[in-house]
Amino acid sequence: DVKVTQSSRYLVKRTGEKVFLECVQDMDHENMFWYRQDPGLGLRLIYFSYDVKMKEKGDIPEGYSVSREKKERFSLILESASTNQTSMYLCASSVQGDTEAFFGQGTRLTVV
Amino acid sequence: AQKITQTQPGMFVQEKEAVTLDCTYDTSDPSYGLFWYKQPSSGEMIFLIYQGSYDQQNATEGRYSLNFQKARKSANLVISASQLGDSAMYFCAMREGRGSQGNLIFGKGTKLSVKP
Repeated sequence: DVKVTQSSRYLVKRTGEKVFLECVQDMDHENMFWYRQDPGLGLRLIYFSYDVKMKEKGDIPEGYSVSREKKERFSLILESASTNQTSMYLCASSVQGDTEAFFGQGTRLTVV
Repeated sequence: AQKITQTQPGMFVQEKEAVTLDCTYDTSDPSYGLFWYKQPSSGEMIFLIYQGSYDQQNATEGRYSLNFQKARKSANLVISASQLGDSAMYFCAMREGRGSQGNLIFGKGTKLSVKP
């Protein structure tokens, strides 16, 4: 079974902190994605990566950056956390081509 | 402009009845894929069904079928014989550019509640 693992299920951080959300997949997938999910807004794409060291901005990249140094790991970085970044963050991965994406369990981030 | 539109924020269905969840999409790419995911209250995203833009037949997976109307750009999910465990959020998604690394865009979701 494909496994996508996010490092934390729940996280509480202070405003202004630098926050790292880690995601690891074990199926050698080329594509990896970071979404945030908010009530009434669905899943919005923050960044995705289709190869090591490659990244593309999604719909809402402002305030976020990403890192993909190894194929299996895709990190989301909040350079200076703000309260409006309180959300559920979902990581996903897929092979290239027209196939489904597999999701991690999500990280519920609260910025206080 | 939204690429994926789900117009039903919430729906109710009686147990054992069928229900249709609406999804329309917007793309100028001739090659794309459409997906439906289920998200129960536990939060996990569960892949349900896929339809490719060049597929001639509507996709089916057990009690799930996808009513694909290409000219209307709609990809409605039909759940037959609803069960209490079907109560969840349902998301429609699209990937543009078959064979490419294209990203996966989601709609806002529909909350389905199955009544006993």
